[in-house]
Amino acid sequence: DAMVIQNPRYQVTQFGKPVTLSCSQTLNHNVMYWYQQKSSQAPKLLFHYYDKDFNNEADTPDNFQSRRPNTSFCFLDIRSPGLGDAAMYLCATSRDRGQGRDTQYFGPGTRLTVL
Amino acid sequence: AQSVSQHNHHVILSEAASLELGCNYSYGGTVNLFWYVQYPGQHLQLLLKYFSGDPLVKGIKGFEAEFIKSKFSFNLRKPSVQWSDTAEYFCAVNAPGTASKLTFGTGTRLQVTL
Repeated sequence: DAMVIQNPRYQVTQFGKPVTLSCSQTLNHNVMYWYQQKSSQAPKLLFHYYDKDFNNEADTPDNFQSRRPNTSFCFLDIRSPGLGDAAMYLCATSRDRGQGRDTQYFGPGTRLTVL
Repeated sequence: AQSVSQHNHHVILSEAASLELGCNYSYGGTVNLFWYVQYPGQHLQLLLKYFSGDPLVKGIKGFEAEFIKSKFSFNLRKPSVQWSDTAEYFCAVNAPGTASKLTFGTGTRLQVTL
């Protein structure tokens, strides 16, 4: 009964070659998030969707884009991956923004390697 | 800069030992506080959360955390750990005016030995 699914679990790409990571959810939650987690560091929010409303973090590089074609799916596009973009990418959902109190449900993550 | 600090990066305990993991944050005002846990090979999941009221909050699997406003702390505790508590523990804060954004600490890796 997986609730937040991320595909693929491992992704290898070449320097500069666009890559797309996928997230889907069966919870019918309004909000979907993308976090980047580098080795031994804290997960860092890149952006989130509140329904169709896209909310970018101020320090998220332009190289990172996202799409949410429907409630269930959300994609992370890295237009020109650099070596510094190698990380675990976590997708999460929450029912609402709930004044910041709603539990976030995480997927297993996609580990991105850039060669 | 606003931040969340977890000072213990790696903790090793024997089964039945007591656990306390530190978490401090630097935000002013009212915050929402969370502890998430990641068991080996699994995804992050909520352990407990605090918004208001009784500063001692209880979570799943016998964990509890205490909010001390004056110390900007939200430490996680468990009286007697089990081998199955081996995991990485993340403190997270939702700061005022940030919608539902979570700012995480760097995590504490807990290893419980038999």
